[in-house]
This record gives sequence, C-alpha cells and structure tokens, in this order.
Amino acid sequence: KNEVEQSPQNLTAQEGEFITINCSYSVGISALHWLQQHPGGGIVSLFMLSSGKKKHGRLIATINIQEKHSSLHITASHPRDSAVYICAVRRDGGSQGNLIFGKGTKLSVKP
Amino acid sequence: GAGVSQSPRYKVAKRGQDVALRCDPISGHVSLFWYQQALGQGPEFLTYFQNEAQLDKSGLPSDRFFAERPEGSVSTLKIQRTQQEDSAVYLCASSLVGRGAGGNTIYFGEGSWLTVV
Repeated sequence: KNEVEQSPQNLTAQEGEFITINCSYSVGISALHWLQQHPGGGIVSLFMLSSGKKKHGRLIATINIQEKHSSLHITASHPRDSAVYICAVRRDGGSQGNLIFGKGTKLSVKP
Repeated sequence: GAGVSQSPRYKVAKRGQDVALRCDPISGHVSLFWYQQALGQGPEFLTYFQNEAQLDKSGLPSDRFFAERPEGSVSTLKIQRTQQEDSAVYLCASSLVGRGAGGNTIYFGEGSWLTVV
C-alpha cells in the first residue's frame, strides 16, 4: 500500500463545478504539500500545510492531522485548472524536501 | 534568474552513455532537491543539498547516480552507464532556507526529460 494515496485518480468536471481532491497518508508528517503539474512537466507549489486550512483565490486546502487526511478544493472551476494535482508529505523527522508523493489526480475541466 | 532553471530540457542517451543534468536554483536559495518522475507516476525523492552539503542522498537508486553542488548554487546530477529504467523526468527544486519543521515553499524547475534508448 502506498504511503500517500490520492482519490480520485482522474476527474472530469464541467466549468463552474466545485471540485474536491482527497489525499490520505499513513505516516507521521511534519508538512503536507499540494502541487499542480501541467503537461510538459512544470510543477507549481500551491500550498504547504501543517494544520488547519489555507485559501488562495479559488483554491482551498484543509488538513486533519488526526485523521491523516487532506483535501484540495477548487471553487468555480475553469478549463485552465486542468492539470495533475499532486499531494506530497514530509515525513516526521525527514529532511526537508524528502517528500513522499502521491500518484496525482488528473483533472480535466470542460468548458 | 526568476525561477529554477534546468538543462537540458530533453536528452536522448544511448544505453551505457553517461549523462549530466544541470540545475540553476533561484538565487539565494539554500536548499536544493532532485526528484525522479517516471511516466505516469508521482515524483520520487533522490537527494537534498543545503548549500554545498549533501545532507540526504537516501533516494539515489544506485551508485550510478551522483549529485554535486560544489559552490552551493548550481547543482549537477550525473548518471553513469545509463539504463533504460533511468528514463524519466528529473526535477530540480529549491527553497529559501532549510530549517524548521514545516520547511518553506519549494519551487520546481520544468524538469529534464531523459530517454535512454
């Protein structure tokens, strides 16, 4: 079993829909990252969380440390949100950047 | 530069050939990381530098993989005697500082796409 599991693997939505991507992990962590990867490889860091909730524009990320679960929400989705969204965790006691990555959720937003 | 820069962007190597991949982190960034991403998979950690010191190389898959950052800025990932299973995107990332339980925002480069034929 992977230490970081994301669901769903693939997600197709209509423009304007509210989207939720889930991430569950099985190890103790000191931080969780949500990343966005566009075709061509470039990765953008969206959020880094160690507790609670963060919001940036139409994106909201939450984390529940007790339940070892995080969600990424996109409100009023747009075709430009189409990308792969990756959850990654920094293991407790692990070196910075020694992240365990999920396999990603491929989001496609149709106009 | 404005972001993390990697070169070459694309490299085709014959099996057995040595390759060198370069990463220019954001100026002033202390921490530098290398990751390997196979097709359809999430990235996997390879190694971490804080300035010129390689603090964690636990992810390097074999002794054919070697990374250095001699002056604490530019880093090179070298793969000797490449094998087909080395085909992947090699991502470099950097962050401003290396301390703290949570760390800092990590900035990724576009990646170097290596195909071994």
